[in-house]
Amino acid sequence: GQQVMQIPQYQHVQEGEDFTTYCNSSTTLSNIQWYKQRPGGHPVFLIQLVKSGEVKKQKRLTFQFGEAKKNSSLHITATQTTDVGTYFCAGIMDSNYQLIWGAGTKLIIKP
Amino acid sequence: GAGVSQSPRYKVAKRGQDVALRCDPISGHVSLFWYQQALGQGPEFLTYFQNEAQLDKSGLPSDRFFAERPEGSVSTLKIQRTQQEDSAVYLCASSPIGDAYNEQFFGPGTRLTVL
Repeated sequence: GQQVMQIPQYQHVQEGEDFTTYCNSSTTLSNIQWYKQRPGGHPVFLIQLVKSGEVKKQKRLTFQFGEAKKNSSLHITATQTTDVGTYFCAGIMDSNYQLIWGAGTKLIIKP
Repeated sequence: GAGVSQSPRYKVAKRGQDVALRCDPISGHVSLFWYQQALGQGPEFLTYFQNEAQLDKSGLPSDRFFAERPEGSVSTLKIQRTQQEDSAVYLCASSPIGDAYNEQFFGPGTRLTVL
């Protein structure tokens, strides 16, 4: 079936190091949304990208949408303990009402 | 104002029991989504309501799953004859826009455990 693949599953970083998660789709996406879920919490919306090649920044977070609208990435510069959580990408493929979600990348800060 | 609320927060059911999960979306939100999230996985779409109309139910895994939103606000997800594979967190989300091209506001979820 239609899938959104997200890698890596986990990333361990020292505080202050950078973090990147990647999403790849088997088909062209109409949009891509990114969410953050803290441990024990619910997904919280971060951003939506719609245009081919789009890049958006939120402070230390940089989001990209590929030219072919089949891949996306989230990069966090100089991670902080508040960044801990699982980052999900989700996109629309066929139905305007369905978000297809990646499995998430868990950001773990090494003590 | 209040966010999306869900009840109960936790539900333990014996295999074969019926359960009903409730979602109170943000007042005035047109769209309501139900998701199933297994441990360590991303949410999986179950069904979508635009006001009281169920426009997409293609994600419901079997005919044991039924959802309704009769007055276009509160929604209930019902699972009949629960099975162990139904154990998951059930998330509800709402949005002010009538499709998925917008931020979705999630509730805290209902954790269902089927013994």
